[in-house]
Amino acid sequence: KAGVTQTPRYLIKTRGQQVTLSCSPISGHRSVSWYQQTPGQGLQFLFEYFSETQRNKGNFPGRFSGRQFSNSRSEMNVSTLELGDSALYLCASSLASAGGGTDTQYFGPGTRLTVL
Amino acid sequence: GNSVTQMEGPVTLSEEAFLTINCTYTATGYPSLFWYVQYPGEGLQLLLKATKADDKGSNKGFEATYRKETTSFHLEKGSVQVSDSAVYFCALERPHTGFQKLVFGTGTRLLVSP
Repeated sequence: KAGVTQTPRYLIKTRGQQVTLSCSPISGHRSVSWYQQTPGQGLQFLFEYFSETQRNKGNFPGRFSGRQFSNSRSEMNVSTLELGDSALYLCASSLASAGGGTDTQYFGPGTRLTVL
Repeated sequence: GNSVTQMEGPVTLSEEAFLTINCTYTATGYPSLFWYVQYPGEGLQLLLKATKADDKGSNKGFEATYRKETTSFHLEKGSVQVSDSAVYFCALERPHTGFQKLVFGTGTRLLVSP
């Protein structure tokens, strides 16, 4: 079974631009979560989607948004990029079920975003 | 709130040495506990997990036991290899909250020399 895939793997943008990152979960997984990894702040939770609905959101500004499609693929968008948004963005999927069930999360390789 | 504390790195060992990476947690209820590993330039790979007290997770020679009395989940390996060089993250997740959200420690870098 194929793992979690993320595209693109690397991205370079300039301040003020916006960016969209994509994540395809493991087949059959309906939950997709996003995390930001930086040297200073470590791994921080951005948000989680299940069946096209955001179930939870971390402590990030509104410039960070996401969505999930009916096939469980997810995208995250960052608008008005700042230098501090440079990070590795990781996507994870799980077999979480409706009704609030949770399960082990499996991660993709990440998208390395550099903001100049 | 929920948090995970890991020992500072880097941990530097010679091949075949014994490894321990300490991890303690603070959480309400009974969290599930995980160790993830990150190799250079890659994402996170699940190494092992435990979902209740006294459970032992194991994989590829690594082990960790869920100790509720000491709120710990220390990672151990009897004989490390150069290929084990990576960053190791301890994490917790509270089940039955209605959503997925891993809380990670800061990570511990392991360097194994031949």
